[in-house]
Amino acid sequence: DAMVIQNPRYQVTQFGKPVTLSCSQTLNHNVMYWYQQKSSQAPKLLFHYYDKDFNNEADTPDNFQSRRPNTSFCFLDIRSPGLGDAAMYLCATSRAVGSGADNTQYFGPGTRLTVL
Amino acid sequence: DAKTTQPPSMDCAEGRAANLPCNHSTISGNEYVYWYRQIHSQGPQYIIHGLKNNETNEMASLIITEDRKSSTLILPHATLRDTAVYYCIVRPRGGGNKLTFGTGTQLKVEL
Repeated sequence: DAMVIQNPRYQVTQFGKPVTLSCSQTLNHNVMYWYQQKSSQAPKLLFHYYDKDFNNEADTPDNFQSRRPNTSFCFLDIRSPGLGDAAMYLCATSRAVGSGADNTQYFGPGTRLTVL
Repeated sequence: DAKTTQPPSMDCAEGRAANLPCNHSTISGNEYVYWYRQIHSQGPQYIIHGLKNNETNEMASLIITEDRKSSTLILPHATLRDTAVYYCIVRPRGGGNKLTFGTGTQLKVEL
């Protein structure tokens, strides 16, 4: 089945130690997104890639970076994780951007990050 | 972005219809209404979306009022596995990429 895959499902890192989360998709979608969801809060968009074009949300901290080496894979890099970065990180994909049937976002299961 | 208002929680008996309301009184003419749900510790799951007309798929029905200021998501025969947070989201004018999640409705389906 076509899907969005996130590995690992659970990640533990130390305060200040760089960490990378990965996402892959078999949907061949053009757009890949990263959302952050803190405990008891709604998901919040960090940034997205439309093909190779990177689009950062205005309030996303510089500590968060992303790479998309090819259509299938996208990585979230946290350069110096703080305690406040502990959250569920959700990857999503869509065929394109904008409202409409082709722009539905499909989410992966998420990676829960713990910062010690 | 149009703001949405949903009740924080609802209960439903298993096998009965679950009707989840959403108010979006400031919605613009070209903005779609999307519904997602999130089961505990999982990623959000797309349910359905619509613009003006009522929509139905294998998961649910979406009823949008004629003035488009509110909508109702209907799960016709709720099961325990439908227990989740349900988010009503209005997509930004002119397209755009962001899904702006509100606080959603925690639906609890009970025996």
